[in-house]
Amino acid sequence: AQKVTQAQTEISVVEKEDVTLDCVYETRDTTYYLFWYKQPPSGELVFLIRRNSFDEQNEISGRYSWNFQKSTSSFNFTITASQVVDSAVYFCALSEGWAAGNKLTFGGGTRVLVKP
Amino acid sequence: GAVVSQHPSRVICKSGTSVKIECRSLDFQATTMFWYRQFPKQSLMLMATSNEGSKATYEQGVEKDKFLINHASLTLSTLTVTSAHPEDSSFYICSASQGANIQYFGAGTRLSVL
Repeated sequence: AQKVTQAQTEISVVEKEDVTLDCVYETRDTTYYLFWYKQPPSGELVFLIRRNSFDEQNEISGRYSWNFQKSTSSFNFTITASQVVDSAVYFCALSEGWAAGNKLTFGGGTRVLVKP
Repeated sequence: GAVVSQHPSRVICKSGTSVKIECRSLDFQATTMFWYRQFPKQSLMLMATSNEGSKATYEQGVEKDKFLINHASLTLSTLTVTSAHPEDSSFYICSASQGANIQYFGAGTRLSVL
């Protein structure tokens, strides 16, 4: 069965600090997708990134970067030079199979609080 | 990007009434829609998967007679919470996907049952 673990329930940082969110997953499938979503206080889920199991390249998008390591089943997310607007709950999620539209299993989420 | 509209955003109802929540994909046809439930400070739990024109597939422990799902078209799925009770109060979120694409989420519906 698939499982996603986000060990950090809450992280508090001061603005401009970097923050790394850990995500460890379990799956028996060789083909799967990993996602990160942001949930601000308003509640909607904002898609941040999708990565398939065959693509281990790390990715950078502005202040966001992701480190995917199949050897440790981890897909960590780093926010560089954090800002107050980054305060939100961040969810890592896993989808098994070839179609990214298959059902998602979410981690427990990590609440990030960025203080001015 | 793809837009999913969820309505209403907030509903307060009396115990025993039924509440319908709509989920629409505005700029794409969604072959599959998903319904999630989220309790305060917790993660999202999948309730059911709905494919257009067929019966929804419910996750273990979710009462299908309690949470009625209809996916009548490629752009609309509805979740009806029947005979709602206070324990049904929660945040309900839908998502929609188009084939092999990612899931796009609605803004959620906060249900409060008095």
